Amino acid sequence: AQTVTQSQPEMSVQEAETVTLSCTYDTSESNYYLFWYKQPPSRQMILVIRQEAYKQQNATENRFSVNFQKAAKSFSLKISDSQLGDTAMYFCAFMKQMGDNNDMRFGAGTRLTVKP
Amino acid sequence: DAGITQSPRHKVTETGTPVTLRCHQTENHRYMYWYRQDPGHGLRLIHYSYGVKDTDKGEVSDGYSVSRSKTEDFLLTLESATSSQTSVYFCAIREGRTDTQYFGPGTRLTVL
Repeated sequence: AQTVTQSQPEMSVQEAETVTLSCTYDTSESNYYLFWYKQPPSRQMILVIRQEAYKQQNATENRFSVNFQKAAKSFSLKISDSQLGDTAMYFCAFMKQMGDNNDMRFGAGTRLTVKP
Repeated sequence: DAGITQSPRHKVTETGTPVTLRCHQTENHRYMYWYRQDPGHGLRLIHYSYGVKDTDKGEVSDGYSVSRSKTEDFLLTLESATSSQTSVYFCAIREGRTDTQYFGPGTRLTVL
């Protein structure tokens, strides 16, 4: 079974600075997706970024980028120019690419606080 | 928001009572999911559906059942609620083109 580990339960960063959230995963699959979701206090789960495992190029979405190391099974999220609105729980998630039974496996989350 | 609604948004019930949570989507997605979120565990899959009347178990399915009689509705039932089922429940759909899951707003369930 796939497992996802987020080793940093809590992190903080000053506004306008850069922060990196770590995620590692364990799988024997070759084709899969990796995701980062953000959960602000509103509780809504919001997709931040998506990475397909077969793509070597790291995904980016505005101030959010990932460092995807397939051999090391590592998928970290970098937030540049942190804003107060980035304060949230961040979840790393893994999903197999093929078949009906491709449920998503989540890490336990990292609580990020952006300080003014 | 992928057109997903959940009802109710909050519910308090007593141990031993049946509870049904509803997930409704408006965009005709084939795949739908029910997750629960507990501190220290992230989200864990309860059941999922890959079509009308087609459902299967997830990681934490004990004590839960589901039904999908229409594409747009996916129901989660706790036949006899227990305090261990106090949690936040999320419904999700899988968007077919990108295989990305999008989530509903969640339901907070408290079992006393």
